[in-house]
Order: sequence, then structure tokens, then C-alpha cells
Amino acid sequence: GENVEQHPSTLSVQEGDSAVIKCTYSDSASNYFPWYKQELGKGPQLIIDIRSNVGEKKDQRIAVTLNKTAKHFSLHITETQPEDSAVYFCAASNFRPGNAGNMLTFGGGTRLMVKP
Amino acid sequence: DTEVTQTPKHLVMGMTNKKSLKCEQHMGHRAMYWYKQKAKKPPELMFVYSYEKLSINESVPSRFSPECPNSSLLNLHLHALQPEDSALYLCASSQAFRGSYEQYFGPGTRLTVT
Repeated sequence: GENVEQHPSTLSVQEGDSAVIKCTYSDSASNYFPWYKQELGKGPQLIIDIRSNVGEKKDQRIAVTLNKTAKHFSLHITETQPEDSAVYFCAASNFRPGNAGNMLTFGGGTRLMVKP
Repeated sequence: DTEVTQTPKHLVMGMTNKKSLKCEQHMGHRAMYWYKQKAKKPPELMFVYSYEKLSINESVPSRFSPECPNSSLLNLHLHALQPEDSALYLCASSQAFRGSYEQYFGPGTRLTVT
């Protein structure tokens, strides 16, 4: 099955700096790579995603890049703000044949702390 | 609107109790999921329902019993749980067909088994 590794496990940055979180996956058939932000006491919130036919995607201060050859993808947050502090999870999936839904395999998570 | 709601927010139950967790979405999604999340760990998939039918059971103990009464609702019935079952239980939903990938999570139910 799929295995997703995420680094670093903790990341501390100064407000205004950039933050980069990296993930690698094992299954070359994976075709969808979402990123979730989870604040304390809340459920994971989908913040950005990328499909295997795209190399990069941006949404304001957030961007995700995908290298299919190397089987890794990264989350980039620019101009970090204290409210970006949370746990971030990457995930990967490959739709199964038929209509079984979208099974996500998650990385271990990164605790991002943005210091004012 | 990408809202998935879950009730209750918190639940404390004894090992002999029977309780149920509820999840609801009105996005027209036909796939719904239960995840278990322990502290400082990623969510772990438990069950997947697709078109109201159980499609995936990730070898979950029978003391957890899922139910999908209709396309908007998902329940998780709990019976004879163990203290190690204490965790955050997350519900999620997505479209079920290939080509629609986004999966949205609810806020979770924090379960404590005493």
C-alpha cells in the first residue's frame, strides 16, 4: 500500500518568513495530493491540493509543488502569520476502480509555529 | 458550502455503554468516511461508504458499527469500547466518482472511554 513520509515534524519560523514542508510517497500510481491544516480542537481543513497532471499550484500565500519522478511534493507558505500556526498534514491517494471513494494516506504531520 | 457537521462534540462513556456518533453533510457527496485520530497522529481511516453501501472496512473491531441511513447521514455505533479507543473521531465526505477528489472533514467528536 501507499506510504507517505513528511518532514520536518516541527517547524518554527519568524512572522513574515517562508515555511516549506516536504512529503514523499511510495506508490507511483498515486494521483492526488491534498494538504490539510488542523488547528487545536478542530477537524482537518483542506487548504490546497494538486493532481498528478500538474506540477505547481498557487493560492495567495500558499503553493504546492509536485515532482512525480522523485515522488515528492511540498507545501510552501510565504509571508507567514501567527494564524498560520497549526499542524499541517500532507496526503496521497489513488482512486480505486469503481466507486469506492477517495482513500487518503496521510503523512505524520508538521507542527508549524509562527513567532510574532 | 463545504460543511460537515458532527454531534456530539464531546462524549464520555463507560466500557459497558452504548452510544452513537452522528455526521451530516448537504453537499450532495455520495462517499462518506469515518476516521480515528489519536493525539499528535494523523487520521486513520476506519470505514468508507459509497452510495450508502459499506465499501471499505479497515479491519476495525466489531465494537464499532457504522451505518449510513441515507446519502446525507452517517452514524457510528459504539458498544463495549476500551479505554484505548479514546480519540477524536472524524467524519469526512467527498464525491464518489473518479474525477472529483476533494474530501472535507467535520470538526470531530472527542471520545473518552472510562
